[in-house]
Amino acid sequence: DTAVSQTPKYLVTQMGNDKSIKCEQNLGHDTMYWYKQDSKKFLKIMFSYNNKELIINETVPNRFSPKSPDKAHLNLHINSLELGDSAVYFCASSQDTGLWAEAFFGQGTRLTVV
Amino acid sequence: QQPVQSPQAVILREGEDAVINCSSSKALYSVHWYRQKHGEAPVFLMILLKGGEQKGHDKISASFNEKKQQSSLYLTASQLSYSGTYFCGTAYSGAGSYQLTFGKGTKLSVIP
Repeated sequence: DTAVSQTPKYLVTQMGNDKSIKCEQNLGHDTMYWYKQDSKKFLKIMFSYNNKELIINETVPNRFSPKSPDKAHLNLHINSLELGDSAVYFCASSQDTGLWAEAFFGQGTRLTVV
Repeated sequence: QQPVQSPQAVILREGEDAVINCSSSKALYSVHWYRQKHGEAPVFLMILLKGGEQKGHDKISASFNEKKQQSSLYLTASQLSYSGTYFCGTAYSGAGSYQLTFGKGTKLSVIP
């Protein structure tokens, strides 16, 4: 039973396209996140959702938008993809706000924009 | 507010010890340690919540010096399976919001 699952695992697309990455967790956690890991392995938080409310919206381009249909899902939609968006995107979840709880990460989605 | 990790990389022979440091310029609420193997997701190691708190399991332990705003991860008698990139994540209290920020990581390579 996968705790945090992301689809797809790999995504290759052309510049200018719109794409979505789906994430689901079956842990009953209250908070879900999206992280971006660039080629230098830097893990940067992009968004987090707690009980369907956006908690953090880091300074990411507004081409990125998180969508949470329910507590178990947090999807990432990206408009007008650019070359610089190429990275590995990780979804994660934790109990409460996560200040004191571990985060469980999905297996990642490797996005390549050509 | 990104924590600073050191060293950036370290190579060990099996059985050797290593220390990875994580420091912050801002007062910390908690420190989180994760390990990421190549091509995989980060995996939780431990959280330290109080100043001076030390935690550990197996031969990996960590300390949290609240006054110095830093944490150290100790790996003793390293094994090949310890290889990977170690990230510290620091959290700062603030109005119930989640503010875990990761350092740039320390790449640990254990060789036979």
